[in-house]
Amino acid sequence: EVRLVESGGGLVQPGGSLRLSCGASGFTFSDYEMNWVRQAPGKGLEWIANITSSGFITLYAESVKGRFTISRDNAKNSLFLQMNSLRAEDTATYFCASGTAYFHNWGQGTLVTVSS
Amino acid sequence: DIQMTQSPSTLSASVGDKVTLTCRASQNIRTWLAWYRQKAGKGPHLLIFEASNLETGVPSRFSGSGSGTEFTLTISSLQADDFATYYCQQYNSYPWTFGQGTKVEI
Repeated sequence: EVRLVESGGGLVQPGGSLRLSCGASGFTFSDYEMNWVRQAPGKGLEWIANITSSGFITLYAESVKGRFTISRDNAKNSLFLQMNSLRAEDTATYFCASGTAYFHNWGQGTLVTVSS
Repeated sequence: DIQMTQSPSTLSASVGDKVTLTCRASQNIRTWLAWYRQKAGKGPHLLIFEASNLETGVPSRFSGSGSGTEFTLTISSLQADDFATYYCQQYNSYPWTFGQGTKVEI
């Protein structure tokens, strides 16, 4: 069974940093591109970052470019999102999702709240 | 960015109903469109890719159609499990973008 489990969310002050993790199991993690998609409370979905299977190429939405960094450790079947200079508008549930262009599998999400 | 617009925003229906959801793209996306179902408090679940291809394991009551800028998701006989929010997503060009969702409620 494919499983994606996010962790690392929490309450952080504006301007602060947070690192999210996503543990993968049930599939060959190193074969798949991975993504982060977020959902503000009561709102729709927003794709924010993609990383190729090797980890060499990354893509970002303009809303997070320069502040967030996606990375992966294929040896540990793990995906990461380093979030810096956080803003109130980054408050959302963050999902990791597998896939190149559309998203086959999703985690249950981890909530990030940016507030003073 | 390509804007995706879903209609209606909310749809009231009953078990057994046939329902059709619409998604429009702000420019031609050929058939590079996916549909997802999201239940409250959970991550989305892929239903359809490339506009009309059923994801493995998804019940045959779901079907998708369309190309270019107009797309539909049809549920032939609504089940209790289908009361949820549905999103379309384009992957014709970066950034990948989603519609705002259609909530199917009783």
